[in-house]
Amino acid sequence: EAGVAQSPRYKIIEKRQSVAFWCNPISGHATLYWYQQILGQGPKLLIQFQNNGVVDDSQLPKDRFSAERLKGVDSTLKIQPAKLEDSAVYLCASSLGTFTGELFFGEGSRLTVL
Amino acid sequence: ILNVEQSPQSLHVQEGDSTNFTCSFPSSNFYALHWYRWETAKSPEALFVMTLNGDEKKKGRISATLNTKEGYSYLYIKGSQPEDSATYLCAWVSGTYKYIFGTGTRLKVLA
Repeated sequence: EAGVAQSPRYKIIEKRQSVAFWCNPISGHATLYWYQQILGQGPKLLIQFQNNGVVDDSQLPKDRFSAERLKGVDSTLKIQPAKLEDSAVYLCASSLGTFTGELFFGEGSRLTVL
Repeated sequence: ILNVEQSPQSLHVQEGDSTNFTCSFPSSNFYALHWYRWETAKSPEALFVMTLNGDEKKKGRISATLNTKEGYSYLYIKGSQPEDSATYLCAWVSGTYKYIFGTGTRLKVLA
């Protein structure tokens, strides 16, 4: 069974530029999560989708971050414009359902903002 | 603010040593506690999902215990090997199904 796919693995941009990350979850997984992990901190939930609907985006900085999950499968997370403090690993995860199920993670996309 | 704390932040042990880490979490509104292992350049992988007070889980040389009344979980590694080197994350799942991760414990096993 294929795991969660993410791209790109690494991205370096200048501040005020834009960037997009892509995630393909495990087939059949209804719930998709985007986490931001800043060095020295635990992963922080940015947005959670159930199929193609948003369940929780309370910690998503909506003035610069946006995310969508078209057709309830793939998802894209965009940052525009990027700030220095956005340097982090962006982890995508999926699970069968919403309620406490084990999370399956991708390898992450490491963003460096200069 | 709901806090999940892990200790120690990092540690180095010699191959063959046994070690343990702690995850502290809110004792109220508990639903589940997850442990993940995150090796460098790989994706985090689930070790255990624990839901009941007093739960004990084991996978090979790794085991975990759960105390929901006092809000802590221990992860034990017996006879550490270099391949155990990783960051170990715990995630507390609330009654409203929110996952809150700790900052992790970075383990380095020296050969």
